[in-house]
Amino acid sequence: DTGVSQNPRHKITKRGQNVTFRCDPISEHNRLYWYRQTLGQGPEFLTYFQNEAQLEKSRLLSDRFSAERPKGSFSTLEIQRTEQGDSAMYLCASSPDGTAGTGELFFGEGSRLTVL
Amino acid sequence: AQSVSQHNHHVILSEAASLELGCNYSYGGTVNLFWYVQYPGQHLQLLLKYFSGDPLVKGIKGFEAEFIKSKFSFNLRKPSVQWSDTAEYFCAVGGYSSASKIIFGSGTRLSIRP
Repeated sequence: DTGVSQNPRHKITKRGQNVTFRCDPISEHNRLYWYRQTLGQGPEFLTYFQNEAQLEKSRLLSDRFSAERPKGSFSTLEIQRTEQGDSAMYLCASSPDGTAGTGELFFGEGSRLTVL
Repeated sequence: AQSVSQHNHHVILSEAASLELGCNYSYGGTVNLFWYVQYPGQHLQLLLKYFSGDPLVKGIKGFEAEFIKSKFSFNLRKPSVQWSDTAEYFCAVGGYSSASKIIFGSGTRLSIRP
């Protein structure tokens, strides 16, 4: 499968615990995005990378959230001291560089977080 | 502030009815526009996109959308829907710069009665 891969697909944790999600993008894609989606809402932008550089972080992303893409390939999203409000689907998407502007996003299946 | 508004939260249609889903955006500068679809149990996938040129763009499965710059709109249309079109539809906008992010609307759930 050459699509975007996310792991784990579902994580159940207790409040206060740390969780980490991993995203493996399509191999030739330079851009990688993280979104959060809750029921009945559209994907909410969290952050994105151009290769290993983190270009922008949403103001929604508190200090408890950190994302990395150390070698410009896979990325991790860590949430420290989880809260019940963090329960959501965390989506990863990758995109090739567009010759003009932003390109099409290719989404993974998502990682669902449930905080008890 | 950058934003995307989808005014219809849930649309219910019968098969063969015509569809139009509204999308308005607020985003400084030249934009790229997208419609994504999420079928039940599947991941988001691109339905169609507008980058430049003809403001009427055609996508997969008979969908089309029209970019009206003066109205900051990018409405999705289909002349005759099918039961298999039941899904959630998301409008999205990105800046023309290669460093721009893409932001999404809240989505419209489309239910088709067979």
